[in-house]
Amino acid sequence: ELKVEQNPLFLSMQEGKNYTIYCNYSTTSDRLYWYRQDPGKSLESLFVLLSNGAVKQEGRLMASLDTKARLSTLHITAAVHDLSATYFCAVDSLSGTYKYIFGTGTRLKVLA
Amino acid sequence: EPEVTQTPSHQVTQMGQEVILRCVPISNHLYFYWYRQILGQKVEFLVSFYNNEISEKSEIFDDQFSVERPDGSNFTLKIRSTKLEDSAMYFCASLRDRAGEKLFFGSGTQLSVL
Repeated sequence: ELKVEQNPLFLSMQEGKNYTIYCNYSTTSDRLYWYRQDPGKSLESLFVLLSNGAVKQEGRLMASLDTKARLSTLHITAAVHDLSATYFCAVDSLSGTYKYIFGTGTRLKVLA
Repeated sequence: EPEVTQTPSHQVTQMGQEVILRCVPISNHLYFYWYRQILGQKVEFLVSFYNNEISEKSEIFDDQFSVERPDGSNFTLKIRSTKLEDSAMYFCASLRDRAGEKLFFGSGTQLSVL
């Protein structure tokens, strides 16, 4: 059964600093997605990573995928307060129905 | 961008009552899903639906749960006899037609069972 772990679970960081969120998964998959969730809100798609070595960047966020290590990273550059949210990675289980298994989530708080 | 629409946004019910949560997926999508999220926790898969039948379900999706796509546009989740532990945010999601496409999520229904 596919398991998806994220770390850290909580992250408090100063504005302007850099940090990386890690997403590990337990079985083979080459499709990984990053979502953002603001409190009480839905899930907003950030990145779609579909192959080994894929790298996507949007603003201060950059995501990468290493399928051999079963690892994805979400790197935050020069954090700003607006990035405060919970970030989830989700892995396609390759079960044939394209269901995602979500990670545990990383709650990010950027302090001014 | 197209949207997945869910109603109601909030539902309060008494334990043992039946609830129906409604979703209108994006019109040209073929795969439909229900997920739930207990407050502060991760997003959990409940069920996937394709070609008018359940294609996969999780252990959470027991006999108290059912899904329907009655009219080609709505997609519903029914909980027959709610329990306190069913209190959660329920998200509907849809996918167009192939691997690598992202899931589009609705805004969710917050279900509170008293």
